[in-house]
Formats: sequence, C-alpha cells, structure tokens
Amino acid sequence: KQEVTQIPAALSVPEGENLVLNCSFTDSAIYNLQWFRQDPGKGLTSLLLIQSSQREQTSGRLNASLDKSSGRSTLYIAASQPGDSATYLCAPNNYGQNFVFGPGTRLSVLP
Amino acid sequence: EPEVTQTPSHQVTQMGQEVILRCVPISNHLYFYWYRQILGQKVEFLVSFYNNEISEKSEIFDDQFSVERPDGSNFTLKIRSTKLEDSAMYFCASSEQWAQYFGPGTRLLVL
Repeated sequence: KQEVTQIPAALSVPEGENLVLNCSFTDSAIYNLQWFRQDPGKGLTSLLLIQSSQREQTSGRLNASLDKSSGRSTLYIAASQPGDSATYLCAPNNYGQNFVFGPGTRLSVLP
Repeated sequence: EPEVTQTPSHQVTQMGQEVILRCVPISNHLYFYWYRQILGQKVEFLVSFYNNEISEKSEIFDDQFSVERPDGSNFTLKIRSTKLEDSAMYFCASSEQWAQYFGPGTRLLVL
C-alpha cells in the first residue's frame, strides 16, 4: 500500500526566497505524480504532472523533479510571493490505485 | 478555461438521511473520480468511474455509497444513510488521461 510523506509539514519564508518542498513515497512503481495546491477551505488546483519516464517538469516559477527509483519528488518554487501561500500536496499514481495524497506542506510567504 | 463544477457548495443533513452530491466534469474528459477530505486530514480516494462503470473503489466506498452518470454531463455521488463520520469535504475530479482536475468541493455536515 502506497504511503506518502511530505517534509516539511509547514514552512514560513520571507517573500523572494527560493524554496523546496519534499515528497516521499514508499512504492516506486508509479505511473506519474501530480502536485496540487490547496487554499484554505477550497478545492485542489493542479500545478504539475510528471510522468514516471520524466525527470522534471516546469511551469513558470515552479519546477517538479522526480526520482522514481528512490521514491522522491521535489517541488521547487522560485522567487516566492505572498500569493504562493497555500498547502502543497503531492499525489503519486500507482496504476490501478489512483492518486494517494500526502498530508501536505503548509507554506506561508511573508511580505 | 474549462473547470469542474460541484453543487451544492454546502449541505447540512440529519443522520440517516440520503444525500446526493452533484458534479459536472470537464466536457471532453472520460474519467471521473470522487475524493473526500475530513477536516484536517488527507485527501482520500473514494471511487473512479470510466465508461459508465466503476473502475476502482476504496475500502471507504461501502454499500452506503453509489455513483451514477445520469446523463451526458452530470456525475453524482449518493450516500444512502448518512452517518456523523461522513461529515467531510467531497471533491469531484475528472481527467482526459492522466492529470486530474478537481472541483471546488461540497462541504457536507451530518448532524
């Protein structure tokens, strides 16, 4: 059964910093992994999907990397802004098991 | 940009009552999902639906739950006899292939 952990659980940084969010998963036989952001009381917004055959994906200031064999993914946020404040969730997808979500990293970017 | 919509946004019901949560997936998507998130906890997979049948369900999705695509646009989740522990945010998602796109959720409160 897939287990997902995310480190750190919470992070508070000043505006402009570059930061890295970490995701670990126990079953490396994944098809892909998706990163989401969740604002308080809201739904999930898809950020990036990275296929198992890919090493990384980029969208604007976001870059996600995947090391499938070691069961790790990182989300890199460049030049953080207060609007980036949210909870960031990673969700690996094992074929036939659908997405399994991590507990999230709660990010606060201070102006 | 197309998005997944859900109604109602909030629902309060008495224990033992039936509730139907509604979702309109993105129009060209073929795969549909329900997830739930109990307050302060992880997002949990409930069920996936493809080609007018359930393709996978979790252990949470017991006989009290059912899903239906009654027409070409709606996708519903029915809880036959609600329990206090069914109180949660319920998210619908859809995908064309791999990346899942989530709706804003229905907050269900069972009293």
